[in-house]
Amino acid sequence: EPEVTQTPSHQVTQMGQEVILRCVPISNHLYFYWYRQILGQKVEFLVSFYNNEISEKSEIFDDQFSVERPDGSNFTLKIRSTKLEDSAMYFCASSPLRVSNSPLHFGNGTRLTVT
Amino acid sequence: AQTVTQSQPEMSVQEAETVTLSCTYDTSESNYYLFWYKQPPSRQMILVIRQEAYKQQNATENRFSVNFQKAAKSFSLKISDSQLGDTAMYFCAFPSGGSQGNLIFGKGTKLSVKP
Repeated sequence: EPEVTQTPSHQVTQMGQEVILRCVPISNHLYFYWYRQILGQKVEFLVSFYNNEISEKSEIFDDQFSVERPDGSNFTLKIRSTKLEDSAMYFCASSPLRVSNSPLHFGNGTRLTVT
Repeated sequence: AQTVTQSQPEMSVQEAETVTLSCTYDTSESNYYLFWYKQPPSRQMILVIRQEAYKQQNATENRFSVNFQKAAKSFSLKISDSQLGDTAMYFCAFPSGGSQGNLIFGKGTKLSVKP
């Protein structure tokens, strides 16, 4: 069964550094998402992406965050200048249809640790 | 505002027994999907079951079933014949009104299956 693939599984970075989290969504899916989960807390929506542009973003997704689909397969999340509070599990997800009509398929996540 | 409430932070059940996890939500939408996701210690997010709000029949997937009461905005998950591998966090989720990607998650219920 096709899977959403995320790399790396764990990233450690120093405060103020830029990080790029990578995701390969399921190939025939059209909608792409990033969510995050701070340890012990609930899963929070960051951004959705469709037709090569952001379709929705949350308050968390400020100017420090950006997403890109540089080619036909990868979907990346960039944090320009990381803060301690960015430490979290970041999940990429994809779906063939709008989330109101189909479930999201999540990757295994990237654990980001900012020191 | 759209909200999801899981009132049971932790639950435990004996192997082979049945357990029900509760979820209530608030939405102004009339047609939507509801989802239960499982997050084992590996931190992966796995879809357990989904329910279409316009269907009166409760969804069933093997040992997992839901009790969906639309008027009461209640969406509970029943796990029959619990297995040790069911030990995980369980999140109830549904799409925020009409959006393409904003899936709202509850805070989760930590289920422990004991031998």
